[in-house]
Amino acid sequence: EPEVTQTPSHQVTQMGQEVILRCVPISNHLYFYWYRQILGQKVEFLVSFYNNEISEKSEIFDDQFSVERPDGSNFTLKIRSTKLEDSAMYFCASSYSNEKLFFGSGTQLSVL
Amino acid sequence: KQEVTQIPAALSVPEGENLVLNCSFTDSAIYNLQWFRQDPGKGLTSLLLIQSSQREQTSGRLNASLDKSSGRSTLYIAASQPGDSATYLCAVKGSQGNLIFGKGTKLSVKP
Repeated sequence: EPEVTQTPSHQVTQMGQEVILRCVPISNHLYFYWYRQILGQKVEFLVSFYNNEISEKSEIFDDQFSVERPDGSNFTLKIRSTKLEDSAMYFCASSYSNEKLFFGSGTQLSVL
Repeated sequence: KQEVTQIPAALSVPEGENLVLNCSFTDSAIYNLQWFRQDPGKGLTSLLLIQSSQREQTSGRLNASLDKSSGRSTLYIAASQPGDSATYLCAVKGSQGNLIFGKGTKLSVKP
């Protein structure tokens, strides 16, 4: 069964460093998303991406964040200058019709 | 602002028991509602999707109902098994298009 793949599974970085989280969505899907879950809290929406542009973003998704679909198969989330509070599990998701979302297994980001 | 609440936060049942997980949301103007399963350190697995025009969806031992006017959904698990142990998340899709999640119910099924 097709699945969303995320790499790396764990990422440790120093505060102020840039990180790129990578995702390979399901191949025929058209909608792409990033969500995150801080330990013990709810899963929160960050951004959605369709037709090569951001379609929606939350208040969390400030200028430190960016997304890119560089080559038609990968979907990346970049955090330009990480803060301690960026530590969370980051989930990529994709959907064919913006209805049922399929999530990856997540990247656990730890900012020290 | 849409808020999603799940009760109970945790539930422990003996194997074989039927159980109900509850989800409530404050804004009834939703497009759909999804139930997910989350295993420790893993991603979210979609279990059931109910469109706003539907009343329920079934998949195997799982049945999800939706009462949009009262802002409630339930996930019914029949004949629970130890393998059902996980956190179950409810999420609604509203006018803004993104999913808004509850905090989840952590289910433990004892053999």
